[in-house]
Amino acid sequence: GIQVEQSPPDLILQEGANSTLRCNFSDSVNNLQWFHQNPWGQLINLFYIPSGTKQNGRLSATTVATERYSLLYISSSQTTDSGVYFCAVEPDDYKLSFGAGTTVTVRA
Amino acid sequence: KAGVTQTPRYLIKTRGQQVTLSCSPISGHRSVSWYQQTPGQGLQFLFEYFSETQRNKGNFPGRFSGRQFSNSRSEMNVSTLELGDSALYLCASSPDPDTQYFGPGTRLTVL
Repeated sequence: GIQVEQSPPDLILQEGANSTLRCNFSDSVNNLQWFHQNPWGQLINLFYIPSGTKQNGRLSATTVATERYSLLYISSSQTTDSGVYFCAVEPDDYKLSFGAGTTVTVRA
Repeated sequence: KAGVTQTPRYLIKTRGQQVTLSCSPISGHRSVSWYQQTPGQGLQFLFEYFSETQRNKGNFPGRFSGRQFSNSRSEMNVSTLELGDSALYLCASSPDPDTQYFGPGTRLTVL
């Protein structure tokens, strides 16, 4: 099956810092999404981004489908950004394959 | 609209027992998917239902099964529980292939 690799596995930031999370995938996909999982386990959809660039507030994402990678940018990080960020690709409709996640800790 | 709801939120069972988890999707969403999250294996796809039909299934043993009702509510069942079945079980509701809305999950502990 398709392989999804995320880096780095862990990231510690000082409040106000910027960061970049990376997702590499091994095959062509119909869809790529970024999720944030809060400490209570809730998964929140951040971006649906099979290609191109999108921005939502302090978060933005870029996917280069031809090179099979996606980047998630966090700018001016806040403590509420803490949690695990997952990249998920969709080799088949309605079936997501998740990466192992990047655990982000933002310190005040 | 109300979000995806899952019941119960927490569950403790012993080995050999069976368990049934429930998921109510967002109104109007006909696709419901289930995922298992463990520290060792991460998030893994279990199965997906659409209009009461299972359309896709992940690589899990036959002890894991599910169904969907005519009102799109879904249940998953795990029989003959093993210690390794301890996990967070997440349900996702979808209006289309591009978007999944996840519920808060059911945390199952098998003793």
